[in-house]
Amino acid sequence: AQTVTQSQPEMSVQEAETVTLSCTYDTSESDYYLFWYKQPPSRQMILVIRQEAYKQQNATENRFSVNFQKAAKSFSLKISDSQLGDAAMYFCAYSGTGTASKLTFGTGTRLQVTL
Amino acid sequence: ETGVTQTPRHLVMGMTNKKSLKCEQHLGHNAMYWYKQSAKKPLELMFVYSLEERVENNSVPSRFSPECPNSSHLFLHLHTLQPEDSALYLCASSQVEGSGGYTFGSGTRLTVV
Repeated sequence: AQTVTQSQPEMSVQEAETVTLSCTYDTSESDYYLFWYKQPPSRQMILVIRQEAYKQQNATENRFSVNFQKAAKSFSLKISDSQLGDAAMYFCAYSGTGTASKLTFGTGTRLQVTL
Repeated sequence: ETGVTQTPRHLVMGMTNKKSLKCEQHLGHNAMYWYKQSAKKPLELMFVYSLEERVENNSVPSRFSPECPNSSHLFLHLHTLQPEDSALYLCASSQVEGSGGYTFGSGTRLTVV
C-alpha cells in the first residue's frame, strides 16, 4: 500500500520569504502522480500543483514549485515570496494511474505566515 | 465556488437520528468520492463511485450508506452514528481516466452528540 509522510506538523515563514515543505512517499509503482493541496480555514481543498512521475522536470505554478526526487521518493513544495494568503494546511498526496485512482494523503503541514 | 457543492455546511445530530449529506458537481466529472477528515489524522477515503458504480468501500461501518443516483450527485446517508464519527466529511470529483487531481467541496462539519 502507498503511504505519504509529512514530517513537519507546523512551519512558519515571514512574508516575502521562501519556505519549503517536505513530503516523502512509498510506492512500488513506477508511474504515478503527486500533488500538493492547500486547505485554508474555509476548509476547501485547493489543488496547488501536480507532478507526473514520468516527467523529470519539476512542476512550477507561479510562486509554487516542487523538488521531485524520484529515486529518493521525495516531493517537497517551495513557496517563494510568501504572502499572508498562503497561510493554510498543506497536504501532500499520491495517486496511482489506474481508473478512478484514489488519492492517499499525508497528515498535513500547517503553514503560518508572519509579518 | 469550486464546482463541487456540499450541503449542509454544518450538521449536529443525535446518535439515534437519520440524516443525509449531499454533494453535487457540474464539472462533467464521472467519478465521485467521500473522504473523512479527523483532527491530526490523514484524510480517510470512504467510498469511490466511478461511472455511478461503487468501486471501493474501505471497510466503512454500515451506519454510513452512500448513494450515487447519477454522475452529478452523491449522498452519504447517516444513521445511529457514534460520537467518534464527528469529523469533516469532504466530497470530491474527478475524471475517471487519467489523474488531473480531484476537485473538492468545502465539506460538511458533522458533530454527533
